[in-house]
Amino acid sequence: AQSVTQLDSHVSVSEGTPVLLRCNYSSSYSPSLFWYVQHPNKGLQLLLKYTSAATLVKGINGFEAEFKKSETSFHLTKPSAHMSDAAEYFCVVSPPRTGRRALTFGSGTRLQVQP
Amino acid sequence: DTGVSQDPRHKITKRGQNVTFRCDPISEHNRLYWYRQTLGQGPEFLTYFQNEAQLEKSRLLSDRFSAERPKGSFSTLEIQRTEQGDSAMYLCASSRDTQETQYFGPGTRLLVL
Repeated sequence: AQSVTQLDSHVSVSEGTPVLLRCNYSSSYSPSLFWYVQHPNKGLQLLLKYTSAATLVKGINGFEAEFKKSETSFHLTKPSAHMSDAAEYFCVVSPPRTGRRALTFGSGTRLQVQP
Repeated sequence: DTGVSQDPRHKITKRGQNVTFRCDPISEHNRLYWYRQTLGQGPEFLTYFQNEAQLEKSRLLSDRFSAERPKGSFSTLEIQRTEQGDSAMYLCASSRDTQETQYFGPGTRLLVL
């Protein structure tokens, strides 16, 4: 079985300062990991995904995440926050490549960006 | 727009009524998923289709819930005898056979009064 823990339910940063959203995962296999973003009244948008190629993954809008197997972490970072980054962010773990197909979502981190 | 679409976007109904939601996946995607998202939580898996076959159902999918994908294209999710606890955002996603990435629609927000 797999699970995801997002360590902060709410993060507040000032515009122009770095963003760090933390995610730990638990999996009995080598998972694929994703970060999705959800803006108010909009659908979930894929930010980036890790699929065992490179441990540092670059995504859209300047976000990146680093897969650390020893720490079972997949934290999302951005060097400089923009007002438009304010949204809900979900860390997601994939099922094994055979069998179940359901994604497992964390409970989300709400990012607030102050002017 | 070639993304996943869902209809309606919002639905308000009275307890005990039946509701039906539609999802149109990305055209070349043969996998289709339904998730439910309640306030302050991440989406939770409900069910999954590969073409027209429903291959997986969550325990969340009670007897009052039924989903179909009759021709392997669009899908419908019906909730019978709605309850206030059914109030949530219902999300549809689709993917290719060979890809893990699921692409989500905007969701249908259901409010049961």
